[in-house]
Amino acid sequence: DTEVTQTPKHLVMGMTNKKSLKCEQHMGHRAMYWYKQKAKKPPELMFVYSYEKLSINESVPSRFSPECPNSSLLNLHLHALQPEDSALYLCASSQAGLGSTEAFFGQGTRLTVV
Amino acid sequence: SQKIEQNSEALNIQEGKTATLTCNYTNYSPAYLQWYRQDPGRGPVFLLLIRENEKEKRKERLKVTFDTTLKQSLFHITASQPADSATYLCALENYGGSQGNLIFGKGTKLSVKP
Repeated sequence: DTEVTQTPKHLVMGMTNKKSLKCEQHMGHRAMYWYKQKAKKPPELMFVYSYEKLSINESVPSRFSPECPNSSLLNLHLHALQPEDSALYLCASSQAGLGSTEAFFGQGTRLTVV
Repeated sequence: SQKIEQNSEALNIQEGKTATLTCNYTNYSPAYLQWYRQDPGRGPVFLLLIRENEKEKRKERLKVTFDTTLKQSLFHITASQPADSATYLCALENYGGSQGNLIFGKGTKLSVKP
């Protein structure tokens, strides 16, 4: 199984809502990532988890809260988002030490904040 | 600061021709460089990884070169087909990242006309 599964595929939420994005992989990868991608822009890193511990937070606002319950799951909790947070949110995984190995990306969650 | 440039936002070619995409970087000494394909609304898909001590790497109709003196990688698709139409992203490991994470160029949108 070489898939990274993200749910939901689409999400519309109001600025006062709380929602969560989910990501799952069963490749035994110990590094997992959240990227944000705006239209016609490249993916931008948000968070890196290594062995279930947060290792990189790219100065992401606190309205985004990541969680790694176990080595196969990665969540992104959303609260009080702004319309400019609307984007494609991508989860990825790799063997630890990204750069030297390929990254597997999920299909993304298309988030619209209204 | 580190910078990755894909000079062409878009490239239009005729079916059967060779597509050549360029990725340049500055303020960097990467050990690896990766190429990904991204279709609209979907996550990037890994294509090839090339190491700094490799001049060239091939996979089926794909070829990547890596010139660390010029700080440039070229990505070739030979005998291009309409199904090759997509956005192609080059990616480098973020310099100094303890875990390692990828930063992406802006991508080149390739259109192959029948």
